[in-house]
Amino acid sequence: GEDVEQSLFLSVREGDSSVINCTYTDSSSTYLYWYKQEPGAGLQLLTYIFSNMDMKQDQRLTVLLNKKDKHLSLRIADTQTGDSAIYFCAESDEDNQGGKLIFGQGTELSVKP
Amino acid sequence: GAVVSQHPSWVICKSGTSVKIECRSLDFQATTMFWYRQFPKQSLMLMATSNEGSKATYEQGVEKDKFLINHASLTLSTLTVTSAHPEDSSFYICSARDRPSTDTQYFGPGTRLTVL
Repeated sequence: GEDVEQSLFLSVREGDSSVINCTYTDSSSTYLYWYKQEPGAGLQLLTYIFSNMDMKQDQRLTVLLNKKDKHLSLRIADTQTGDSAIYFCAESDEDNQGGKLIFGQGTELSVKP
Repeated sequence: GAVVSQHPSWVICKSGTSVKIECRSLDFQATTMFWYRQFPKQSLMLMATSNEGSKATYEQGVEKDKFLINHASLTLSTLTVTSAHPEDSSFYICSARDRPSTDTQYFGPGTRLTVL
């Protein structure tokens, strides 16, 4: 079945850039998403990218997609302590899975002042 | 952006009782809602997909008689955990899909269930 993998932890200093990586196996993925989860809260959609795009930028966030390698990354510029959270990568296959999201394990981002 | 609410935000119940969790889309109509379960420090596990006016589709390994899902309107889906046991204690999160305007899923804040 489909699988999404992420590294579990990332620690950066405030002001640095953070890069969170994700790999997936479903070659039929339609959309790829990045969600943020703070402790005890639900998921906040940060950004998403269509599978036919290579890059998307939204303020401090940059998403890069390498469809050949099935690799997705999220870059957070000028990382702040408020960015500390768990970040989930997810993919959906609209044609075959009806929009069901497959999540990675989540990457815990720790931002040190 | 689209807002999804859940009620209650947390609940503590005794073993053997049933608990109902509501998921509402506040400013859009959701033909499809999804129910997830999340254990501490783990990812979200999809339990079922709920389509308005029809029976929910459950993922493999999820007992449909244990986790009853009703999606009676375009803005409300409910998950009832029947005869709850301590192993059902978890964080339950719903999401709603804002179609046809977008395929994005918007998530509720989650419900923390503790079964004593």
